[in-house]
Amino acid sequence: GNSVTQMEGPVTLSEEAFLTINCTYTATGYPSLFWYVQYPGEGLQLLLKATKADDKGSNKGFEATYRKETTSFHLEKGSVQVSDSAVYFCALTLTYTGNQFYFGTGTSLTVIP
Amino acid sequence: GAVVSQHPSWVICKSGTSVKIECRSLDFQATTMFWYRQFPKQSLMLMATSNEGSKATYEQGVEKDKFLINHASLTLSTLTVTSAHPEDSSFYICSSIHQGDRTDNEQFFGPGTRLTVL
Repeated sequence: GNSVTQMEGPVTLSEEAFLTINCTYTATGYPSLFWYVQYPGEGLQLLLKATKADDKGSNKGFEATYRKETTSFHLEKGSVQVSDSAVYFCALTLTYTGNQFYFGTGTSLTVIP
Repeated sequence: GAVVSQHPSWVICKSGTSVKIECRSLDFQATTMFWYRQFPKQSLMLMATSNEGSKATYEQGVEKDKFLINHASLTLSTLTVTSAHPEDSSFYICSSIHQGDRTDNEQFFGPGTRLTVL
């Protein structure tokens, strides 16, 4: 089946620390991979995406590389800010499933000054 | 990017009443919309896939008679929670695919509707 396994939180970091949130996937086919961010009380916003192996998605200092050999799409940021505090969701989708999304359980990040 | 709106953003209702939530694609046509439910501090659970002009496809365990979905136009899908009970209290989120962007399968999410049933 198709699924996403995400690093459990919560994660608490000091400002300017390095962030890694692990994400691995299982998919029958060639998925597109996404990271979404959800700020308190809001809906999901696309953070970055990658549609094929070895693609690197990047946005706002966040990066993730689509690794087919390890079926991973880990999220990284070199220096987090307080404003990065949110819940991060890793997700995959496959065209043949009608674009249904499979989400990870989410990782809550809190950045303290 | 494409914009999806939801209305209302927050609703409180009495037990036994019905609540309608609207999901609109503002600047594109959406033949397919998805409805999710999110419990506090949990991930999104897909409830159903809404297709314009046809019946929605519900995920296993989701009561189609309780969660009525109507997708009457290319820009509007509605979710009606019928005879709501406190256990229906949740955050409901819709999403859609931008048809012109099908190559990367990106979905655009609405801001969500928080339903509280007293």
